[in-house]
Amino acid sequence: EPEVTQTPSHQVTQMGQEVILRCVPISNHLYFYWYRQILGQKVEFLVSFYNNEISEKSEIFDDQFSVERPDGSNFTLKIRSTKLEDSAMYFCASSPRTGTDTQYFGPGTRLTVL
Amino acid sequence: QKEVEQNSGPLSVPEGAIASLNCTYSDRGSQSFFWYRQYSGKSPELIMFIYSNGDKEDGRFTAQLNKASQYVSLLIRDSQPSDSATYLCAVNGYGNNRLAFGKGNQVVVIP
Repeated sequence: EPEVTQTPSHQVTQMGQEVILRCVPISNHLYFYWYRQILGQKVEFLVSFYNNEISEKSEIFDDQFSVERPDGSNFTLKIRSTKLEDSAMYFCASSPRTGTDTQYFGPGTRLTVL
Repeated sequence: QKEVEQNSGPLSVPEGAIASLNCTYSDRGSQSFFWYRQYSGKSPELIMFIYSNGDKEDGRFTAQLNKASQYVSLLIRDSQPSDSATYLCAVNGYGNNRLAFGKGNQVVVIP
């Protein structure tokens, strides 16, 4: 069964450094998403992406964040200058279409900012 | 701002019993409703989705939706120790892509 994959599984970085989190969505899916979950808190929506552009973003997704689909398979989340409060699990998800479609989650990347 | 509330504390159930989880949502325009299971340190895993009022059964799981009351529930029958996890309710609305999640309900199945 096709799965969303994410690399790395754990990323440790120093405050102020840039990180890139990588995802390979399910191959025939059209919509891609990033969510994050701070330890002990809710899963929070960051951004959705369709047809090579952002279709929706949350108030969390400020100028330090960007997303890109650099090729036909990868989907990346870049955090330009990490802060301590960016420490969280970051989940990539994909869905076949949009709106009411089920979103399938990858295993996550644990980001630790020191 | 969509809000999804799961207010119950940890739920302990004996093995073989029924676990009942509840969720309310604030956006009356919400269209689709999901239950995800999340083991500690892992990602959300889809259990069920429901779009229409009423009940939907899938194996040992039953989802119930009442749009008038803005309420969705999940029943787990014949609970197994492997069902011990946090269950996340998630909702999204017409024309947008974001899932709004509740905080989750922790279920502990006691052998």
